[in-house]
Amino acid sequence: GENVEQHPSTLSVQEGDSAVIKCTYSDSASNYFPWYKQELGKRPQLIIDIRSNVGEKKDQRIAVTLNKTAKHFSLHITETQPEDSAVYFCAASGTALIFGKGTTLSVSS
Amino acid sequence: DTEVTQTPKHLVMGMTNKKSLKCEQHMGHRAMYWYKQKAKKPPELMFVYSYEKLSINESVPSRFSPECPNSSLLNLHLHALQPEDSALYLCASSQPGTGIPYEQYFGPGTRLTVT
Repeated sequence: GENVEQHPSTLSVQEGDSAVIKCTYSDSASNYFPWYKQELGKRPQLIIDIRSNVGEKKDQRIAVTLNKTAKHFSLHITETQPEDSAVYFCAASGTALIFGKGTTLSVSS
Repeated sequence: DTEVTQTPKHLVMGMTNKKSLKCEQHMGHRAMYWYKQKAKKPPELMFVYSYEKLSINESVPSRFSPECPNSSLLNLHLHALQPEDSALYLCASSQPGTGIPYEQYFGPGTRLTVT
């Protein structure tokens, strides 16, 4: 079955810096890669996703890149703000979503 | 309406109790999911319903029993749970896909404590 590795597990940045979170997946049949943000005590919230026929997608300060050959994808957050502090989960999907273990992002002002 | 709702928000139950968790969506989605999430861990898939039929059961113990009465509702019946079943139970919904995955939207979850 699918296995998703996510790194780093924790990430601390200063406000205004960029943050990058990386994930690798094992199943070449996976074709959908969403990213979720989960604040403490709240639901996972879909923030951006990418499908296997696209190499990059951007939405304001957030971008995701996908390298199908290497089976890895990354989340890029630019100009980080304190409200970006949360746990971020990557996921890969063929028939079902398999999540990475999560990255706790802390943005200090 | 782009929301998935879940009731109750919190539930405390003894190991001999029977209780049910409820999930509702009005987005016209025909796939609904139950996930279990322990603290500081990712959501773990438990069950998937597609067009009101159970399509995935991830080897979940029989003390968890899902039910999909109609396309908008999803229940999770709980019986004889163990303390290690204490977790956040998340419901999600999406369009069903055959080889075409769609965005999943999560409900706020039910925080379950088994005493």
